[in-house]
Amino acid sequence: AAGVIQSPRHLIKEKRETATLKCYPIPRHDTVYWYQQGPGQDPQFLISFYEKMQSDKGSIPDRFSAQQFSDYHSELNMSSLELGDSALYFCASTLGTSVGNEQFFGPGTRLTVL
Amino acid sequence: GQNIDQPTEMTATEGAIVQINCTYQTSGFNGLFWYQQHAGEAPTFLSYNVLDGLEEKGRFSSFLSRSKGYSYLLLKELQMKDSASYLCAVRESAGNKLTFGGGTRVLVKP
Repeated sequence: AAGVIQSPRHLIKEKRETATLKCYPIPRHDTVYWYQQGPGQDPQFLISFYEKMQSDKGSIPDRFSAQQFSDYHSELNMSSLELGDSALYFCASTLGTSVGNEQFFGPGTRLTVL
Repeated sequence: GQNIDQPTEMTATEGAIVQINCTYQTSGFNGLFWYQQHAGEAPTFLSYNVLDGLEEKGRFSSFLSRSKGYSYLLLKELQMKDSASYLCAVRESAGNKLTFGGGTRVLVKP
């Protein structure tokens, strides 16, 4: 079965550069979530989209923005990168926002900021 | 806000049983999830509880008591490949985002 696809899998950037992370949800899933997981930490919710509209917002810095496109893929744009942005960025998808819908996680993008 | 607590680390022997506890304090509650995560990999879904009681799924079982704000994940017949972090996550009433606990790192020894 198709899973959540994230690209790139690894990304190395320098401070103050920009980065764009992409997420392709499971086919027919219309809801995507972005999480950031620092070394040795649990995933922290950043932002989510349902039917191309932002549905919830967590601890996402103002330097980051995201959107969901008509084909339901999502992109996380990160500007003025800082060393502390180095983390694993996971995208998860579900079908709708019904209770009980499990979130399927993608393999993650490992971002390293030098 | 949400406060989710689980032990940091547990060690068990291959073939044994381990119980990972999770306590939560939330203003709302719309379900509790358990995920398994190997280092550097994506969390994978194990179980979901929204009503009180036990959910059994092969070697894994999960229990929920909403009145006590308590859940546990039971891993039976431990295998070496079960060495991983186990994340307890609560879904808030509003929205569908998950708030994760710190994770419990389980080490299975021969």
